[in-house]
Amino acid sequence: DQQVKQNSPSLSVQEGRISILNCDYTNSMFDYFLWYKKYPAEGPTFLISISSIKDKNEDGRFTVFLNKSAKHLSLHIVPSQPGDSAVYFCAATSGSARQLTFGSGTQLTVLP
Amino acid sequence: GAGVSQSPSNKVTEKGKDVELRCDPISGHTALYWYRQSLGQGLEFLIYFQGNSAPDKSGLPSDRFSAERTGGSVSTLTIQRTQQEDSAVYLCASSPTGGYEKLFFGSGTQLSVL
Repeated sequence: DQQVKQNSPSLSVQEGRISILNCDYTNSMFDYFLWYKKYPAEGPTFLISISSIKDKNEDGRFTVFLNKSAKHLSLHIVPSQPGDSAVYFCAATSGSARQLTFGSGTQLTVLP
Repeated sequence: GAGVSQSPSNKVTEKGKDVELRCDPISGHTALYWYRQSLGQGLEFLIYFQGNSAPDKSGLPSDRFSAERTGGSVSTLTIQRTQQEDSAVYLCASSPTGGYEKLFFGSGTQLSVL
């Protein structure tokens, strides 16, 4: 049973426009969420995180929104750049857990 | 080095053979994780080491899989009698203390079982 789901395997966006990547979770114990970015032949790298006590966290062009009632989070990238083309993984954890639970990833392609 | 180092970067083996994958975490990081990513799948947790505590092996898919961490640093993941379904990218990650910390990943070992 997948506790973290990324239902869109791929997304294409024009350069300069907004990219919105979505993630849903089922475990109500999750209280900390992260986004990782992965380029080919490299390990995932941390991008941005959010605690369940917040509903928004912003870092430059990247903003993560959390809707606890819907068990949904999203990553907004604006403006999108060709260098943002990568696989984006959503991950979640809880105070009692010692590992992150990852989604299956979304391949973002930003077209020049 | 500054990051998490994994070796080999690629490993091709025959079904039934044993393989060992190595991970050098970031110096000073007490927590070390192994994940794997099969084709088209997300990252699957395998095992977690934290300091001198007993490892969390709850993600290991079968008893053919084992891992150890010597001296609180280098870790080796061993897969015995490899099967084709073991083909995946095996990723190691470390974090300063574990738990809520963000993970720092290595670039992985691509394992192909023929």
